[in-house]
Amino acid sequence: KAGVTQTPRYLIKTRGQQVTLSCSPISGHRSVSWYQQTPGQGLQFLFEYFSETQRNKGNFPGRFSGRQFSNSRSEMNVSTLELGDSALYLCASSLGPRREQETQYFGPGTRLLVL
Amino acid sequence: GENVEQHPSTLSVQEGDSAVIKCTYSDSASNYFPWYKQELGKGPQLIIDIRSNVGEKKDQRIAVTLNKTAKHFSLHITETQPEDSAVYFCAEQSNFGNEKLTFGTGTRLTIIP
Repeated sequence: KAGVTQTPRYLIKTRGQQVTLSCSPISGHRSVSWYQQTPGQGLQFLFEYFSETQRNKGNFPGRFSGRQFSNSRSEMNVSTLELGDSALYLCASSLGPRREQETQYFGPGTRLLVL
Repeated sequence: GENVEQHPSTLSVQEGDSAVIKCTYSDSASNYFPWYKQELGKGPQLIIDIRSNVGEKKDQRIAVTLNKTAKHFSLHITETQPEDSAVYFCAEQSNFGNEKLTFGTGTRLTIIP
């Protein structure tokens, strides 16, 4: 069974631009969570989607948004990029919603650099 | 859960020796405690997890212990091997309120051959 895939793997943008990252969960998984990983802040939860609905959201500004499609694939969007948005963005999938505490499987991440 | 402290931030051990990483948490409602291993250029990978109704769990060379009274849990790796070198993260989750996973700050483990 294929793992979680994320595209693109690397991305360079400039301040003020917007970016869209994509995540394909493991086949059969319906929950997708997004995390931001930086050396200073570590792994920070962004949001979780289950059955096309956002179930939980972390403490990030409204510039960070996401959505989930009927095939469980998810995208996250960051508008008006800032230098501090440079990070590794990780997607994780699980069978059910986070409430059920099922194992989360992480993708390799998208490394975003904002210049 | 809102706060997880993880120690040490870096750890070097001789190959074959044991490594122990400790985490403490503050939310008494936390009831799920996974450990992740992250190798360079890869996403975190679950290596073991424990739930609050269990005090200890083992999987070959890896074990996790949980002390709910003291609100701390630990990862134990025995007979360490070079491939154990990675960054390890603890995490915790509560079933109440915001159900997000809260991660520790990570421990960079280096196995010295």
